[in-house]
Amino acid sequence: DTEVTQTPKHLVMGMTNKKSLKCEQHMGHRAMYWYKQKAKKPPELMFVYSYEKLSINESVPSRFSPECPNSSLLNLHLHALQPEDSALYLCASSQLGQIEGYTFGSGTRLTVV
Amino acid sequence: AQSVTQPDIHITVSEGASLELRCNYSYGATPYLFWYVQSPGQGLQLLLKYFSGDTLVQGIKGFEAEFKRSQSSFNLRKPSVHWSDAAEYFCAVGPSYNTDKLIFGTGTRLQVFP
Repeated sequence: DTEVTQTPKHLVMGMTNKKSLKCEQHMGHRAMYWYKQKAKKPPELMFVYSYEKLSINESVPSRFSPECPNSSLLNLHLHALQPEDSALYLCASSQLGQIEGYTFGSGTRLTVV
Repeated sequence: AQSVTQPDIHITVSEGASLELRCNYSYGATPYLFWYVQSPGQGLQLLLKYFSGDTLVQGIKGFEAEFKRSQSSFNLRKPSVHWSDAAEYFCAVGPSYNTDKLIFGTGTRLQVFP
């Protein structure tokens, strides 16, 4: 299995809702990432998990809460989002210690109404 | 500070024509360089990567890139473009040993006319 799987593919949520994005990989990668991508822009790093521990938080607002339950799963919990948070949310994984680049999922298209 | 510049925001070529997408980087040490492609609404797919060794690297879908240290460039090329190559292309640097994050350029949107 050489894929990163993200669910759901599309999500529409209200500003008072709580939702979660899920990401799964079975490549044995020990680093996992959340990126946010606005239209016509490059991906922007949000969080990095290394060995299931949060290693980088790029000053992301607390309404985004990441979680790494095990080495294969990465979640992003969403609460009280704003319309400007609407974007494509990409998950990626990589093998620590080996410079192979990242494997990206196909993303979750989030719309906040 | 590490940075990546893609000077061309939008390029249009005819199907069958050759293609070169430019990428310049600023990096304090030996760079690790990548090219990714993104179709609309999709994730990023790795086309090719350079770490060391031969400065001309071959990737998937008939793409190649050449690392030129003297010019701080890592340009992507394809001899004959297909309509299915229309997409957004991102050059990226990293990850370094100090951080675990890729630094992306702003992207080049490729349009292919029949």
